[in-house]
Order: sequence, then C-alpha cells, then structure tokens
Amino acid sequence: GNSVTQMEGPVTLSEEAFLTINCTYTATGYPSLFWYVQYPGEGLQLLLKATKADDKGSNKGFEATYRKETTSFHLEKGSVQVSDSAVYFCALNPGGSEKLVFGKGTKLTVNP
Amino acid sequence: GAGVSQTPSNKVTEKGKYVELRCDPISGHTALYWYRQSLGQGPEFLIYFQGTGAADDSGLPNDRFFAVRPEGSVSTLKIQRTERGDSAVYLCASSPNPGTGQETQYFGPGTRLLVL
Repeated sequence: GNSVTQMEGPVTLSEEAFLTINCTYTATGYPSLFWYVQYPGEGLQLLLKATKADDKGSNKGFEATYRKETTSFHLEKGSVQVSDSAVYFCALNPGGSEKLVFGKGTKLTVNP
Repeated sequence: GAGVSQTPSNKVTEKGKYVELRCDPISGHTALYWYRQSLGQGPEFLIYFQGTGAADDSGLPNDRFFAVRPEGSVSTLKIQRTERGDSAVYLCASSPNPGTGQETQYFGPGTRLLVL
C-alpha cells in the first residue's frame, strides 16, 4: 500500500538553526511528493512539491529533494525563523487518483 | 480571491444524531476533496469529486458517511447515526485542474466535529 512516515515531533530549535524533518514513503508506481504546512490558527497550505525522481522543490528557504533510491523527501532549511513555527506534513499522491496520503505531521517550534 | 470555506467551524452533537458539513470551494475549481483529521494524525482521505460525480470514494469508512456535490460547486458531507469515534476535524480542499496527480490542493479551515 501507500504510506508516509515522518520523524516524530515535536522539534524545538533556536532561531537561525538548521532544520531537517525526515520523510520516507512507500508507494506503488511513481508518486508525486509534497510538503504541506499548517501555521497556528490557519488551514493547510502547500509549501513545496516534486513530481519526479531527483526533482528539488523549494519555497521560502525550504528545500526537499525527491530521492527514489532511498524513497525519501526530507525537508531542510538552513536558518529557521520564529515565523516558521508550524506543523509540517509530508504527503504523496500515488497516481491513478487525486487523493493525498499524509504523514502524521511534525510540530516545529522555533524560539528567539 | 476567496479561499475554501467550510461551515460550521465547530459542531457538537450527540451520539446517534445526523450531521451535515458544508464546503464551498474556490470558484472555478472542478475538483473537491474531503479529508478527516483525528488528533495527532495527518489528514485521511475520504472522497474526491470531479464535477458533480464522486471519482473516488474509497476512503469513506462505512455507509454512515455520504457526500454530494449536486451542482459541481458546493459539497455536503453527511454523517448518519454519529458515533464518538467520528469526532475529528473534517477538511475540505479544492483544485483547479486535476488529472495529473501533481495538483496543489487548497484547503479550508476545517469543521471540528465533537460527538458526545
């Protein structure tokens, strides 16, 4: 079946620290991969995506590379800010339907 | 422009009652999705509409759950004989041009359902 595994949270960092949130997936076929973010009091919104192997998605200083050989899509940011505090969800679209399969989410708190 | 809206934002009901949750997608978006998010979990797919028809309803947990989108815009998720385990946040999303598996889905704020 199709599934997404994210690193357990919560993650607490100081401002300007380096961030990595691990995400691995299991999928039949060739999925598209996504990171969605939920800021406090707001709805889920797309952060970045990659649709084929070796693609790199990037947005707002965040990056993730679609690694088919390791079935991973780890989220990274070189220098986090307090405003990055949110819950981050890794997701995949397995193809054949438009549904998304989400991980459990990782809560990030960035302290000044 | 306006985003996806959902009403009510909160709903408290008693076990065994019937509830309806409404979703108003972004104007012009042909695809509409329902997900359910339990505490501490990621969203779980329920059903996807392309236009008026349900293109994939494989995520509906049982026959107490039903959704409609009669005019290809607003959708209603209906839950009969609610159970305490139905308590969750119900999320709606829409997208403009589905079909590739690469589409960004735009999410609403959710309806928080509590079944007592």
